[in-house]
Amino acid sequence: GENVEQHPSTLSVQEGDSAVIKCTYSDSASNYFPWYKQELGKGPQLIIDIRSNVGEKKDQRIAVTLNKTAKHFSLHITETQPEDSAVYFCAGPDRGSTLGRLYFGRGTQLTVWP
Amino acid sequence: DTEVTQTPKHLVMGMTNKKSLKCEQHMGHRAMYWYKQKAKKPPELMFVYSYEKLSINESVPSRFSPECPNSSLLNLHLHALQPEDSALYLCASSLGQGAEEQYFGPGTRLTVT
Repeated sequence: GENVEQHPSTLSVQEGDSAVIKCTYSDSASNYFPWYKQELGKGPQLIIDIRSNVGEKKDQRIAVTLNKTAKHFSLHITETQPEDSAVYFCAGPDRGSTLGRLYFGRGTQLTVWP
Repeated sequence: DTEVTQTPKHLVMGMTNKKSLKCEQHMGHRAMYWYKQKAKKPPELMFVYSYEKLSINESVPSRFSPECPNSSLLNLHLHALQPEDSALYLCASSLGQGAEEQYFGPGTRLTVT
């Protein structure tokens, strides 16, 4: 199965600064990489994802980059706002016997200070 | 619309009780999932249903019993739970089991006393 490692586990930034969270994966066959945002008391929300045929994808203030050679992908949040404070999870899907299973990173608690 | 709904939002039950968690989606998705999430941890997969048939059981104890009555509904029946089963139980759905985009519900916060 896939092995996804996520860093850092906590990240504090000042409002307006940028935040970057990085994940590495082990399965070179992996071709889909989602990012989830989980606010306190809520379920994870899919905020952006990327497929292996592109190197970068952007949606307003958030972007995801993928380096297939190095097997890592990163979430970039620019002009951070207090409402960006949440736990962010990266994930990689199983391409093998447990198709449909998502392997999650351990999560990053992002705090944006006003 | 990418909404998955779950009821109840909170549940407190004793170790001898029987209760059920419910999940519903109307996106036409044919794969539905149950996850368990402990505090400060990522979600852990419990069960996957594909076209209303159980596809994956991640060696979950039999005190958890899933049911998929139709393509829009997913239940999780609980019986004789232990305090360590207290957690956030999340339902998710995707277009098919091989489709990567999974959409999560808000979860049921379960406390076993």
